[in-house]
Amino acid sequence: EVVMTQSPATLSVSPGGRATLSCRASQSIGSNLAWYRQKPGQAPRLLIYGASTRATGIPARFTGSGSGTEFTLTISSLQSEDFALYYCQQYNHWLPTFGQGTRLDIK
Amino acid sequence: EVQLVQSGAEVKKPGESLRISCKVSGYRFTSYWIGWVRQLPGKGPEWMGIIYPGDSGLRYSPSFQGQVTFSVDESINTAYLQWSSLKASDSAMYYCGRQGPERAFDYWGQGTLITVSS
Repeated sequence: EVVMTQSPATLSVSPGGRATLSCRASQSIGSNLAWYRQKPGQAPRLLIYGASTRATGIPARFTGSGSGTEFTLTISSLQSEDFALYYCQQYNHWLPTFGQGTRLDIK
Repeated sequence: EVQLVQSGAEVKKPGESLRISCKVSGYRFTSYWIGWVRQLPGKGPEWMGIIYPGDSGLRYSPSFQGQVTFSVDESINTAYLQWSSLKASDSAMYYCGRQGPERAFDYWGQGTLITVSS
């Protein structure tokens, strides 16, 4: 099983600011990584797949980067709806696995 | 518009059986894998497995193999997740999702909360 480790667990950033979230895989996964945002009481929503491709309807202020074992999600010009939980997911291995999440809080 | 609509919350007793549903619309049901994801309170999602409605192909996570059953009814564009004997540890939120670009879930149901308690 590929273990996904996200950091930090909690990140506090001011509205309008920039957030940088990290995700590390326990083994190389190429670019087979997705990022999701989950608001309270809602299902996750796909933001990024293929490590850097924005999903349909996702604005350009969401940027994914990385390959191999180290990945980053950068969110610029933070808006109120961005303060939520973020999960990464690898799907390189036949058994996809998620990270434990990063909570993005308002500073 | 792609939509996945799940059945409502359930409260069950240990040992009871249960089947929850995920009805899809807005795309060809038989062309995409449907997956199931468990989320325990305060935890990250867990990939349970996937089913391909086109031929009922199945892949289960080892953690859920033998514990749950996936199925589909192509005539009504609906996927199902079933338990034959629930345990208290099955209490969680369950989501269905469409496996879209590459193998990420691009559309999700709203979730079904399962509570198992005596």
